[in-house]
Amino acid sequence: EPEVTQTPSHQVTQMGQEVILRCVPISNHLYFYWYRQILGQKVEFLVSFYNNEISEKSEIFDDQFSVERPDGSNFTLKIRSTKLEDSAMYFCASSELAEPTYEQYFGPGTRLTVT
Amino acid sequence: AQSVTQPDIHITVSEGASLELRCNYSYGATPYLFWYVQSPGQGLQLLLKYFSGDTLVQGIKGFEAEFKRSQSSFNLRKPSVHWSDAAEYFCAVAPRRKTSYDKVIFGPGTSLSVIP
Repeated sequence: EPEVTQTPSHQVTQMGQEVILRCVPISNHLYFYWYRQILGQKVEFLVSFYNNEISEKSEIFDDQFSVERPDGSNFTLKIRSTKLEDSAMYFCASSELAEPTYEQYFGPGTRLTVT
Repeated sequence: AQSVTQPDIHITVSEGASLELRCNYSYGATPYLFWYVQSPGQGLQLLLKYFSGDTLVQGIKGFEAEFKRSQSSFNLRKPSVHWSDAAEYFCAVAPRRKTSYDKVIFGPGTSLSVIP
């Protein structure tokens, strides 16, 4: 069964450093998403992406964040200058379309630890 | 404000017992409704979803959920719990945009423990 993959599974970085989290969505999917889950808290929507542009973003997704689909298979989340509070599990998701019958498939997540 | 509440932070049930996880939402119009499960170290897996029609929805792994508009609830049930059901369960909603949805808004989750 096709699945969303994410690399790395765990990333440790120092405060102020840039990190890039990578995702490979399911190949025929057109919509892509990033969510994050701070330890012990709920999963929060960050951004959705379609047709090479951001479709919607949350208030969490400030200028420190950016997303890109650099090629036909990868979808990346960049955090320009990490803060301690960016430590969280980041989930990538993709869906074939944004219509109700098409669910969002989630990857296993990347645990980001900012020290 | 849009919100999803799951009143039970943690539930423990015996294997073979029935299960009901509660979910309430606050939203202007009935959103799309979902239940996801997250096993330790795993991603989120969709158990079931409600868009319209029959208010009792069947999902994978023997789960079902019932949408009650009058109570703004979407409770998850399973008649007989298995040890492998121990996980974190998230109720979620997606605001309706014409016939599509975009972001998913998650509840805080209910942690389920199963004792033999």
